Formats: sequence, structure tokens, C-alpha cells
Amino acid sequence: DAKTTQPPSMDCAEGRAANLPCNHSTISGNEYVYWYRQIHSQGPQYIIHGLKNNETNEMASLIITEDRKSSTLILPHATLRDTAVYYCIVRVANFGNEKLTFGTGTRLTIIP
Amino acid sequence: DTEVTQTPKHLVMGMTNKKSLKCEQHMGHRAMYWYKQKAKKPPELMFVYSYEKLSINESVPSRFSPECPNSSLLNLHLHALQPEDSALYLCASSQGGLGTEAFFGQGTRLTVV
Repeated sequence: DAKTTQPPSMDCAEGRAANLPCNHSTISGNEYVYWYRQIHSQGPQYIIHGLKNNETNEMASLIITEDRKSSTLILPHATLRDTAVYYCIVRVANFGNEKLTFGTGTRLTIIP
Repeated sequence: DTEVTQTPKHLVMGMTNKKSLKCEQHMGHRAMYWYKQKAKKPPELMFVYSYEKLSINESVPSRFSPECPNSSLLNLHLHALQPEDSALYLCASSQGGLGTEAFFGQGTRLTVV
């Protein structure tokens, strides 16, 4: 799986949009971009994933650049409960090769 | 139902004990995973099962022994652990295949004394 690079930490004011960047310059054509978050001492929580098109769900939006070498996770109206470590993962999930490898992630702190 | 259930939530064991961690999912997922997470570190993949067969072992010491008795259940048998094996052990499952997401349990907090 391709390696990802994320800033180690970010702050965001409550109520504002949180934009978390991720670089994945060695991504292959069949690799998806996944985002997970982990709130302190809990299991990681799936947020969103995409291949090449932008995606939106009830939690967040995922913007993938046209060359697919980077992406941004957007939390549109951050709340204190969004304070967590956010992981960007690039992954091929073929049957029999189901690796999901975490990088170091971004620690996002929402400021009241 | 997108729940992965892990038991127990907390476990304290001695270095000579034998214990097991249990993970259960009823989503019909074909892939199940064990991860180990030390404090302030990302989860590290240990094992992956696909269709109840061990498909990935990330060079994990033999004192950790996984078992997949059926498609809904995943166990991790522990024997002769060391204090440095104390960690949060996470289980996950996914449908498998391109573009599918994995769901995680809340983990078992293991302390080896």
C-alpha cells in the first residue's frame, strides 16, 4: 500500500470547517483513499473513502486532487466531539490481501 | 448492524497465564483483523483472516496465536506474554474487496504483569 504523509497536529475553532490534508504521491490507479479517526482509547471509526471522485456523507467530505496525489478531509462544522487522531490510509483491498495499514495520523484539536 | 464486539474490555494476566481475546461480528464480513496499539502510536496490523483462513501474519511472535472458528468469530490466544505486550488489542472486519471499509471493535486493554 502507498505511503501517506499527514501533519502531526492541527487546531480548529469550534463551528468552523476543519480541513485535514494528506499527501499520497505514490498512489496506484487501483488504490482507494480511506479516512478513519480514533477518539481517545476507542477503536478507530470509519469516516469516508474514495477512488478519484469527491465524496460526501453525513460525517465529512473527501476532496481528491485530479492527479490523485493528495486529498483533503473536510469536517464542515467542527464540534468538540471531533477532537481525535485522524488517519489517512491508501489501500488496495483485494480478496486474500486485505491489509489496512495506519500511518502516524493528524491529531486534531477543536478549540471552544 | 455495524458492530464488532470484543471481549473482555480489560484483561490483566501474568506472564505464565494463558488467556484468549474474543471478537464477534454478524455483518457477514469475509475478512477479520487483529491489531495491536501501544500508547500514542497508530494501530499495527498483526493478522488478517480471509474466508476463515489466515492470509496475513505480520511476523507476530508465536506467543500470539489467532484462530477463526467460523465466519463470525475471531480469537486471539495468548500464552507466555511479556510486560511489553501490554497494549490495546483491536479487532476489525470488512466485507473485503475493492472499496470496502473496515469496522473496528472498541478493543481489549491488556496488561501483562
